[in-house]
Amino acid sequence: ELKVEQNPLFLSMQEGKNYTIYCNYSTTSDRLYWYRQDPGKSLESLFVLLSNGAVKQEGRLMASLDTKARLSTLHITAAVHDLSATYFCAVDEKTSGSRLTFGEGTQLTVNP
Amino acid sequence: DVKVTQSSRYLVKRTGEKVFLECVQDMDHENMFWYRQDPGLGLRLIYFSYDVKMKEKGDIPEGYSVSREKKERFSLILESASTNQTSMYLCASRSPSGHRLILFGPGTRLTVT
Repeated sequence: ELKVEQNPLFLSMQEGKNYTIYCNYSTTSDRLYWYRQDPGKSLESLFVLLSNGAVKQEGRLMASLDTKARLSTLHITAAVHDLSATYFCAVDEKTSGSRLTFGEGTQLTVNP
Repeated sequence: DVKVTQSSRYLVKRTGEKVFLECVQDMDHENMFWYRQDPGLGLRLIYFSYDVKMKEKGDIPEGYSVSREKKERFSLILESASTNQTSMYLCASRSPSGHRLILFGPGTRLTVT
């Protein structure tokens, strides 16, 4: 059974600081997704990482994938309040057809 | 603008009622999903469908059924609603090829009293 673990689960940071969210998964996969969820809203796609060494950047967020280590990171640079949200990683199970397995989510709060 | 839509954003039902949650996608996606999301429990897969008339149980199918008669529509049915089914329900769809990105609908917050 695929397990996806994120850490930290809660992150409170000051504006202007940098931080990294980690996503570990337990079985082979070469496809990983990051989503953002604002309170009371649905999930919005941020990044699709399709191969080992993939790196994607959008604004102050950068995601990377290391399939050998079974690890993805979401790096936040110079955080701003608007980045406050819950961030989920999700892993495509190669052997199961179509389902994704989601991490527990990291609730990020950026304080002024 | 491609999208996944859900029939209701908020729904209040009584215990024992039969509840239908409808989901429609306009992207010609083969795969569709129903998740529920609860505080502290993350997203849990209820059912998914590979294609029309095909369905598979997810992690928590008990108390739910689904229907996929047309490619664009995937319905979640609560046969006899109970208070422990109060939750946020998220529908999603994806194509089985290319990026295989799952796109989510806006969600339905269901309250069972």
